[in-house]
Amino acid sequence: DQQVKQNSPSLSVQEGRISILNCDYTNSMFDYFLWYKKYPAEGPTFLISISSIKDKNEDGRFTVFLNKSAKHLSLHIVPSQPGDSAVYFCAASGITGANNLFFGTGTRLTVIP
Amino acid sequence: DVKVTQSSRYLVKRTGEKVFLECVQDMDHENMFWYRQDPGLGLRLIYFSYDVKMKEKGDIPEGYSVSREKKERFSLILESASTNQTSMYLCASSLGGEEVWQYFGPGTRLLVL
Repeated sequence: DQQVKQNSPSLSVQEGRISILNCDYTNSMFDYFLWYKKYPAEGPTFLISISSIKDKNEDGRFTVFLNKSAKHLSLHIVPSQPGDSAVYFCAASGITGANNLFFGTGTRLTVIP
Repeated sequence: DVKVTQSSRYLVKRTGEKVFLECVQDMDHENMFWYRQDPGLGLRLIYFSYDVKMKEKGDIPEGYSVSREKKERFSLILESASTNQTSMYLCASSLGGEEVWQYFGPGTRLLVL
């Protein structure tokens, strides 16, 4: 059963506007959350993360918000740029000793110039 | 910079062949992982290893085996390739401990005919 879910397979946004990517999880034992970005024919690259003791983490144009009570996190990209067009995966960690990550199914973001 | 390399970017194999996918990391990471990525299914964990000669099954180990004889190298083996193993295969490594994020290789796109 999928413990990390991204219910929107795709999202299109105009350049300069805000992109909001959403992710839900089911296991309350997760204590660390990450976002990865993946271009075609490349491996995923780490983008931003958040610990469960925080509710917000910001890095330049990227902000991740965590709502533990709702078991929901979101990635905000402001302003969106065409180079942000990629597949974004959220991932969660914390319930096994080997730092396994549990990945969502991904959201394909298209930023329209 | 952490570098994770995979032996091939593209492979074409015949049904029934034995296939070896090699992964090497250069940062002395404890943990190594093999995933496959399929459209709509995200990244699914096949096997992982948290030490030399140690291996653990992930979510979809059937039809696969792994080998970790040296810390920097983690091999994925398809004992008898089948068409449903056509996929993108991604290797990753992580330091472990409090550093949970994983560094990915560029991926191997495998086509089984």
